[in-house]
Amino acid sequence: DARVTQTPRHKVTEMGQEVTMRCQPILGHNTVFWYRQTMMQGLELLAYFRNRAPLDDSGMPKDRFSAEMPDATLATLKIQPSEPRDSAVYFCASGLVVAGWDTEAFFGQGTRLTVV
Amino acid sequence: QKEVEQNSGPLSVPEGAIASLNCTYSDRVSQSFFWYRQYSGKSPELIMSIYSNGDKEDGRFTAQLNKASQYVSLLIRDSQPSDSATYLCAFAPLSGGYNKLIFGAGTRLAVHP
Repeated sequence: DARVTQTPRHKVTEMGQEVTMRCQPILGHNTVFWYRQTMMQGLELLAYFRNRAPLDDSGMPKDRFSAEMPDATLATLKIQPSEPRDSAVYFCASGLVVAGWDTEAFFGQGTRLTVV
Repeated sequence: QKEVEQNSGPLSVPEGAIASLNCTYSDRVSQSFFWYRQYSGKSPELIMSIYSNGDKEDGRFTAQLNKASQYVSLLIRDSQPSDSATYLCAFAPLSGGYNKLIFGAGTRLAVHP
């Protein structure tokens, strides 16, 4: 059963602490997206990778957020230092792009982050 | 102007009726369009993709794409209470050449018995 796996599912942390969220994309997928979802803003694209290379991270606050893909089976999103306004659900999604045409993207279950 | 516009709803329809959800997008050269369903507290789930003008049917769902008018719609026939969810449209703009996936804010659908 192919699925995107995210860890942790829930995270409560104090302001100023570092938070690391992990994502295992579906095996064989070459594109990974990171989204943040809040009631006010909906689904915001933070960053995305193709073949492990970062293509666009313009949606991320650069001073505190970073996204990496150390290998094809792991993508990470880090927040350092975290702030209460970072509280949201963070989703990872993966997909397969072939010859420039987009195919469907599949979402993980999300990490619900609460910064107190 | 937002890249993707959806009516936030809620759209309330009686059980058995047709629910019609609409979405407009800003990028004229986009080629890939998607509808996702999201239940409260869950992750978005892909239900339809459409790449060509016209209609695409899958069970009770029909996606309609009109590239000239820059809109895509989703029809749900014989609506069921289990269809009550938020429906998100998404598209992959070609601007920049990177095919990122942009979502609308979603339309909340409520199907009442």
